[in-house]
Amino acid sequence: NAGVTQTPKFQVLKTGQSMTLQCAQDMNHNSMYWYRQDPGMGLRLIYYSASEGTTDKGEVPNGYNVSRLNKREFSLRLESAAPSQTSVYFCATVAGGLYEQYFGPGTRLTVT
Amino acid sequence: QKEVEQDPGPLSVPEGAIVSLNCTYSNSAFQYFMWYRQYSRKGPELLMYTYSSGNKEDGRFTAQVDKSSKYISLFIRDSQPSDSATYLCAMSAGGSYIPTFGRGTSLIVHP
Repeated sequence: NAGVTQTPKFQVLKTGQSMTLQCAQDMNHNSMYWYRQDPGMGLRLIYYSASEGTTDKGEVPNGYNVSRLNKREFSLRLESAAPSQTSVYFCATVAGGLYEQYFGPGTRLTVT
Repeated sequence: QKEVEQDPGPLSVPEGAIVSLNCTYSNSAFQYFMWYRQYSRKGPELLMYTYSSGNKEDGRFTAQVDKSSKYISLFIRDSQPSDSATYLCAMSAGGSYIPTFGRGTSLIVHP
């Protein structure tokens, strides 16, 4: 089992460009999350999806959109990238009724 | 004041030392407590999970929760250089599947 996979691993964008970060899981988990991690700031929740067909904003949703395509996949879209969105992005999942999260390997994004 | 406080370190110890990593929190509704280990340039991985108060042991690792003091700890016995990583605490209230994370403590175990 691959667990939680994220693509791409690295990306460099110019200000104003758009891109979609992909996350897929084979753990049959209900809930999926997108975080960003910045030095000194810890993990900050961008969006989450408690179950297929639902999405909700987290702590820092501005500038992002998400799609829960099906139970396995949860994508994060940057419509017009800004340098402030330079970060490491992690996808995470949780099994139904439980609390432990399982993280993907991350996407390192640089916006110039 | 953040809901979860964690000293960022770095904490530098010699190989073989007993390491104590700690988090304090302010929300008395937290019942589920997790510790994650994050190696450099990797995603966090779940290390320990405890419910409510008490201790839980797994090999060289012991997680301890003191709800009366709103204080959780992770002890690492016989620390190894391979334990060098950032350790994040996280906690959730019952019914809330949005955990609150500490900012992480950087641990360096030198040979």
